[in-house]
Amino acid sequence: ETGVTQTPRHLVMGMTNKKSLKCEQHLGHNAMYWYKQSAKKPLELMFVYSLEERFENNSVPSRFSPECPNSSHLFLHLHTLQPEDSALYLCASSRLSGTGGGDTQYFGPGTRLTVL
Amino acid sequence: SQKIEQNSEALNIQEGKTATLTCNYTNYSPAYLQWYRQDPGRGPVFLLLIRENEKEKRKERLKVTFDTTLKQSLFHITASQPADSATYLCALGPGGGNKLTFGTGTQLKVEL
Repeated sequence: ETGVTQTPRHLVMGMTNKKSLKCEQHLGHNAMYWYKQSAKKPLELMFVYSLEERFENNSVPSRFSPECPNSSHLFLHLHTLQPEDSALYLCASSRLSGTGGGDTQYFGPGTRLTVL
Repeated sequence: SQKIEQNSEALNIQEGKTATLTCNYTNYSPAYLQWYRQDPGRGPVFLLLIRENEKEKRKERLKVTFDTTLKQSLFHITASQPADSATYLCALGPGGGNKLTFGTGTQLKVEL
């Protein structure tokens, strides 16, 4: 799991806290993604950062704020979360090949977030 | 809205048999489909990609088919082993992009 690392691996926070999730990729990729994985639900794409685009899923609440300072690092800033935000947050990266999409995404191990 | 359905029930098979997992979709015309494997407590790992103009792809003991008329993909693991036990996710993607839409996954258990 040295390709894409995520910290922390586990996080428990209250609804009034502010915290940040960190993702770092060591693969030389140029696109990074945040996903949310809740129990019994499919992975939900939250945000995409790449040289070509910045995508934000309209269904993601504003209490989630992404930051991508460079192509190797991606953050997810959290504030005033709700208990239903408890989930596994996965980061992924890919190399844009320009072949029409379908580039392999490499996932990190995820941050297990619990909101009390 | 887009909908992707995978076997909702867990799939238990005997070692050595072929496991077949299904992925059906509606309200979507994907340019490609990917299959990922996810183990407990870990992120998904890419297995195979198949594009809309391809019928079948193989990689070692893995085979995936893609029928855009039926809007279905089948994922086969031949000569299954206990180490193949995991959750398998299908994901659909648009032409020219990498914004994936995932299914809920099928949990496979290979028993001795």
